[in-house]
Amino acid sequence: GQNIDQPTEMTATEGAIVQINCTYQTSGFNGLFWYQQHAGEAPTFLSYNVLDGLEEKGRFSSFLSRSKGYSYLLLKELQMKDSASYLCAVRDHNTDKLIFGTGTRLQVFP
Amino acid sequence: GAGVSQSPRYKVAKRGQDVALRCDPISGHVSLFWYQQALGQGPEFLTYFQNEAQLDKSGLPSDRFFAERPEGSVSTLKIQRTQQEDSAVYLCASSLVGGQSYEQYFGPGTRLTVT
Repeated sequence: GQNIDQPTEMTATEGAIVQINCTYQTSGFNGLFWYQQHAGEAPTFLSYNVLDGLEEKGRFSSFLSRSKGYSYLLLKELQMKDSASYLCAVRDHNTDKLIFGTGTRLQVFP
Repeated sequence: GAGVSQSPRYKVAKRGQDVALRCDPISGHVSLFWYQQALGQGPEFLTYFQNEAQLDKSGLPSDRFFAERPEGSVSTLKIQRTQQEDSAVYLCASSLVGGQSYEQYFGPGTRLTVT
């Protein structure tokens, strides 16, 4: 079966660092994606991991451990505009479809 | 260049009506995906095209749902005899080539409300 778990909600303070965890159990794996989605808008791509390790891109970093079925998204120097839902998604090995978690709603407070 | 566009952005249908949702992918993108997103949930896969071929329709919830991409560019998702449980945002996404690291680019979605 396919199962992707991430926390439903998180809160953080402007300027702080927050880590959003994602665990997955899927029958096939061909990469893990993180997307950001503001309310009423389209998901936008943040990061992609297919090998173990850390990928850094500006204020955002993403980590993958395939043996543990675990990833996290790290957001540094939080800004108010980072308030959004963060979606973890695994790409299916056979069909390229993305299997999404329910998303983590992050609220950044001043 | 232009991103993925979808129309209409909002659709209200009475239960039992048929609806057609359109997706214009990014020019040159081979792969096209449809997802359904309920309120407060992540997107759920519906169907996948590579050019005009529908390679995976395992996510379509019933035979009332039908998708096509006849010329390998624009795609239409049709829902017949809409039900209240069909109310959701329908997202279309496209990507360059399947099986690579290319991300899927999402359109703004069509919010369907069935009354």
